[in-house]
Amino acid sequence: KQEVTQIPAALSVPEGENLVLNCSFTDSAIYNLQWFRQDPGKGLTSLLLIQSSQREQTSGRLNASLDKSSGRSTLYIAASQPGDSATYLCAVFKAAGNKLTFGGGTRVLVKP
Amino acid sequence: DVKVTQSSRYLVKRTGEKVFLECVQDMDHENMFWYRQDPGLGLRLIYFSYDVKMKEKGDIPEGYSVSREKKERFSLILESASTNQTSMYLCASRDTSGVLYGYTFGSGTRLTVV
Repeated sequence: KQEVTQIPAALSVPEGENLVLNCSFTDSAIYNLQWFRQDPGKGLTSLLLIQSSQREQTSGRLNASLDKSSGRSTLYIAASQPGDSATYLCAVFKAAGNKLTFGGGTRVLVKP
Repeated sequence: DVKVTQSSRYLVKRTGEKVFLECVQDMDHENMFWYRQDPGLGLRLIYFSYDVKMKEKGDIPEGYSVSREKKERFSLILESASTNQTSMYLCASRDTSGVLYGYTFGSGTRLTVV
């Protein structure tokens, strides 16, 4: 059974610092991994999607890496801003079983 | 961009009522999903649909049913609402046209059953 873990569950950083969010998964036979952002009381917004054959994806200040063999992904957010405060969720998709499995999320607070 | 629209942001219903949560997507995606999200339990899959009139149970289908009469619309039905169904409900669709298989979520419906 696939398990996805995000550590830490919460972190607080001063504005301008780079953010490093971790995601680990137990079954490396994934099709892709997707990072989402969730603001309080809102839905999920897709940030980046990495195919299993890729090593990283970039969008603006965001960069996500994937090491399938070790079961890890890292989301980097450069030069954090207060508007980056949110919960970040990673999810892995396995084609066999057609299932998306979520991590518990990391709640981020960027202090001005 | 794909849009997944959930018709209500907030709903308050009484115990025993039949409740309909509506979800519409505008990109012709075949796959659609209903999740609920609760503190400490994360996101849990209730039902999903591969195509029109097709549905499959997820991890927690008890107390729920779904309807998919048109490709763009996927409805979640609480047959007789109970207080333990108070939750955030999230609808999603999935792109299967290429190789990405990315998920797009709606903005959520916060349901309170009193």
